[in-house]
Amino acid sequence: GESVGLHLPTLSVQEGDNSIINCAYSNSASDYFIWYKQESGKGPQFIIDIRSNMDKRQGQRVTVLLNKTVKHLSLQIAATQPGDSAVYFCAENHNNYGQNFVFGPGTRLSVLP
Amino acid sequence: SQTIHQWPATLVQPVGSPLSLECTVEGTSNPNLYWYRQAAGRGLQLLFYSIGIDQISSEVPQNLSASRPQDRQFILSSKKLLLSDSGFYLCAWSVQPGGGTEAFFGQGTRLTVV
Repeated sequence: GESVGLHLPTLSVQEGDNSIINCAYSNSASDYFIWYKQESGKGPQFIIDIRSNMDKRQGQRVTVLLNKTVKHLSLQIAATQPGDSAVYFCAENHNNYGQNFVFGPGTRLSVLP
Repeated sequence: SQTIHQWPATLVQPVGSPLSLECTVEGTSNPNLYWYRQAAGRGLQLLFYSIGIDQISSEVPQNLSASRPQDRQFILSSKKLLLSDSGFYLCAWSVQPGGGTEAFFGQGTRLTVV
């Protein structure tokens, strides 16, 4: 289910280093996964997605890894920049949810100068 | 291209007053529509979703209601606000049929009930 009652975990990373944000999902039948970035006071923005028939997908400076065996999803950000500071959410989607998405609790990424 | 508009951006309302938040989508037809609430420093809680006009599903019992009078319009309402209704409200849409496409979010409404 949705982990909406948890306080956000925080990841602090030095500027220029790589960041890895992790997410555990709940439904082994979920077949579509999304990472969102949410800056303060704004709505979540789509970063990258992956379908369950893949285990890795790369975008610009971002890579998503999917491990279906342990129901784990990760987002890797290369050469982290100050503009990457935000809250990052994973979301899973499956027809069992009807038209819905189930969001993870989110991780706050802080980039240190 | 598709766009989603949500307003107002911020709202301060007294306890017991009514609420109406509006969301409209442009550039697509028959979208799935969603209302989420986000408490400060927390995750996203799905409140309502809709797959068509006048077709609303509620995910959690609460003091709020939703309506979809037109295909691309989604309204979140309350007759009497509670302090606990304060939060950041997000409208979102996705393409039908459901599954396998991302949801696109509006910029949110920060509601403070005083």
